[in-house]
Amino acid sequence: LAKTTQPISMDSYEGQEVNITCSHNNIATNDYITWYQQFPSQGPRFIIQGYKTKVTNEVASLFIPADRKSSTLSLPRVSLSDTAVYYCLVGGTGGFKTIFGAGTRLFVKA
Amino acid sequence: NAGVMQNPRHLVRRRGQEARLRCSPMKGHSHVYWYRQLPEEGLKFMVYLQKENIIDESGMPKERFSAEFPKEGPSILRIQQVVRGDSAAYFCASSPLPGDRGGTEAFFGQGTRLTVV
Repeated sequence: LAKTTQPISMDSYEGQEVNITCSHNNIATNDYITWYQQFPSQGPRFIIQGYKTKVTNEVASLFIPADRKSSTLSLPRVSLSDTAVYYCLVGGTGGFKTIFGAGTRLFVKA
Repeated sequence: NAGVMQNPRHLVRRRGQEARLRCSPMKGHSHVYWYRQLPEEGLKFMVYLQKENIIDESGMPKERFSAEFPKEGPSILRIQQVVRGDSAAYFCASSPLPGDRGGTEAFFGQGTRLTVV
């Protein structure tokens, strides 16, 4: 299973764009990259998933370079409610068997 | 369409007792996954089940832990003779497609917080 590395924490202010990068140097050919968001005392919530290039939905964008050894989750104009832990998962299973790791704790300040 | 339902939300057990955690997947989902989360840590995969079958239990402790997903009813994670180290949040997720198929999204429940006293 591909191991991922993310920053432990990040700070931002309301209205800013936040980019969280995840490294996954040993990603396999059939692996997808999936990001989840988790609030305290809640289960993770799917944000976005991609295989290559760029994926965008109503919540975020996911940028994946050609070598796929990293990916960047982009959250446009964050608000206080975006304060949460963000997990990057890599796996052919959609990441389900992957150890989530500690994730990135994003703090959004007013 | 209700989401993934877990119960109870909170469970307190004395050391040596049994804990039974239930998970009802989303309607139409036949693939269930269980995870354990310790405070300030990420989720760790425990087991992947399909109706009446255990597909992958590589993350399950070898003793005291078991899981099932019967043809009818919820998936059950059972912990026998609980110890203080079992205290954690246990999350269940379900998906409509097999877990080994890329591009599949998993939907998580709210978790069960087990406290062993």
